[in-house]
Amino acid sequence: DTGVSQDPRHKITKRGQNVTFRCDPISEHNRLYWYRQTLGQGPEFLTYFQNEAQLEKSRLLSDRFSAERPKGSFSTLEIQRTEQGDSAMYLCASSPPLRLAKNIQYFGAGTRLSVL
Amino acid sequence: GNSVTQMEGPVTLSEEAFLTINCTYTATGYPSLFWYVQYPGEGLQLLLKATKADDKGSNKGFEATYRKETTSFHLEKGSVQVSDSAVYFCALSDSWGKLQFGAGTQVVVTP
Repeated sequence: DTGVSQDPRHKITKRGQNVTFRCDPISEHNRLYWYRQTLGQGPEFLTYFQNEAQLEKSRLLSDRFSAERPKGSFSTLEIQRTEQGDSAMYLCASSPPLRLAKNIQYFGAGTRLSVL
Repeated sequence: GNSVTQMEGPVTLSEEAFLTINCTYTATGYPSLFWYVQYPGEGLQLLLKATKADDKGSNKGFEATYRKETTSFHLEKGSVQVSDSAVYFCALSDSWGKLQFGAGTQVVVTP
């Protein structure tokens, strides 16, 4: 069990550029979540996958954001035309099937995005 | 919609003091409740959980009881250590497992 892995750990980009983050969940975890955390706040839900299906998206996820989870394994979160307001920590979490886990999620260390 | 409210920090304590962090929630149905901890420079870690009313979650000397009548899930520890310095988040989950977090409470324990 290597834990949830996120890459990169830090990303600095210029406004208007596109960025992509990757999350590798714990193997055999079929559920995967993305959250965003700004300074001094708790994480806010962005989107949720069960296997390869994206089942829920927050209204925080504007048209510039897209997430995928091909083949139900790793996931990517892409932000197009980044804005300074996108600067935040992006967290990924994974969880075993609902019947097993009582909703326990395991978090990665996060990707810190800074938009200049 | 669901929401979680927790006391603002920072909370500054001396070693061996008693710690309480208040957490109340608003939710439809019967959510599961959690406390997560974030140590400096590290990711979120599950501290404890409770899945139904009157359940008590406990771990590392921390405890919290799911109180449906007061919609609360207060975190307590009888004797804190410097190593308990961290940010603590109260959270609830809906039927999909999606977590709703409070804003977090920073705890600073001094020797």
